[in-house]
Amino acid sequence: AQSVSQHNHHVILSEAASLELGCNYSYGGTVNLFWYVQYPGQHLQLLLKYFSGDPLVKGIKGFEAEFIKSKFSFNLRKPSVQWSDTAEYFCAVSPSGNTGKLIFGQGTTLQVKP
Amino acid sequence: EAGVAQSPRYKIIEKRQSVAFWCNPISGHATLYWYQQILGQGPKLLIQFQNNGVVDDSQLPKDRFSAERLKGVDSTLKIQPAKLEDSAVYLCASSLGGTSNEQFFGPGTRLTVL
Repeated sequence: AQSVSQHNHHVILSEAASLELGCNYSYGGTVNLFWYVQYPGQHLQLLLKYFSGDPLVKGIKGFEAEFIKSKFSFNLRKPSVQWSDTAEYFCAVSPSGNTGKLIFGQGTTLQVKP
Repeated sequence: EAGVAQSPRYKIIEKRQSVAFWCNPISGHATLYWYQQILGQGPKLLIQFQNNGVVDDSQLPKDRFSAERLKGVDSTLKIQPAKLEDSAVYLCASSLGGTSNEQFFGPGTRLTVL
């Protein structure tokens, strides 16, 4: 069965620290990849997405992610986090040519200390 | 542009009672999704509509859950009878359609079954 695994459930960082959140998926075919973010009290919103082309994609608020096909990974990075990045982050996969449904990981809670 | 609307935002019921959730997608979005998000987990797709037709309901517990999108616009999700394990946030999302279109999420309905 298709699945998405996020390595860290809870991450605590100080402001200006670098961030990397791991995401691995299990699916043998071509996939579309997403990172969603949920800020406290807000709804899920798209951070960035990868469909094809350059495996390094840039999203909003200085986030980027790299697709490494050989490792089935799509890790999220940010060189310097801010207190406002405190949120829950979800990695999601959508098999290409499928209905467009998203398969989510379990999420990572990021807490940034000022 | 108005976002995805959901109501109610919160609902508390006792087990074996019935409950219904409502979703109004972004205007013009042909595809509508219902997800269930249990505490500590990522959202899981329950059902996907394309206009008023069901595309995927493979993970919908059909013995107790039902959903409809009669006019291809708003949608209702019903649980009857509810079980304790149905306590979760029910998220509605919509997209223009197709596998490469971004899904926009509503604020969700938090259901507590006592």
